[in-house]
Amino acid sequence: GIQVEQSPPDLILQEGANSTLRCNFSDSVNNLQWFHQNPWGQLINLFYIPSGTKQNGRLSATTVATERYSLLYISSSQTTDSGVYFCAVGADSWGKLQFGAGTQVVVTP
Amino acid sequence: ETGVTQSPTHLIKTRGQQVTLRCSSQSGHNTVSWYQQALGQGPQFIFQYYREEENGRGNFPPRFSGLQFPNYSSELNVNALELDDSALYLCASSLSGLGYGYTFGSGTRLTVV
Repeated sequence: GIQVEQSPPDLILQEGANSTLRCNFSDSVNNLQWFHQNPWGQLINLFYIPSGTKQNGRLSATTVATERYSLLYISSSQTTDSGVYFCAVGADSWGKLQFGAGTQVVVTP
Repeated sequence: ETGVTQSPTHLIKTRGQQVTLRCSSQSGHNTVSWYQQALGQGPQFIFQYYREEENGRGNFPPRFSGLQFPNYSSELNVNALELDDSALYLCASSLSGLGYGYTFGSGTRLTVV
């Protein structure tokens, strides 16, 4: 199956700082999504981005499909950005997703 | 528009027992996927249901089974519970052909003792 590696595993940020999270995957994919899991376990879909660049407020993401990686940018971080960020990939647009191990982000005031 | 609802939120079972977890999909979604998330790990795909039929299965034994109903809600059944089945079970609904429409529920936290 497709292997997904996320880095770094942990990230501690001061409020207002910027950061970049990375996701590498081992094979071609037609589905790549970034999720944020809050402390209560809820997974929130941030981006569907099998290729290209998207922005949503302070968050943006870029996927370079030919080089098999994706980046998630968090700008001007806030304490509410704390949680675990997961990258998930799939061979098709609506089926099984293979998740990475996640990046634990802690934003301190 | 209602989101994905899972019940119960927490559950404690004894090894060897059976458990049923429930999921109501988001309005307009016709596909339901179930994931298991062990502590400190990413979610792992269990199976997916589309039009009441299993449509893909991950590396889980047959004692993990499911159902999807005509209203697209779903159940996950686990027989002969083992200690390693302790995890957060997540349900996600989507509209077929539109994977980016994944909406996850808040999960059911199962503890097997």
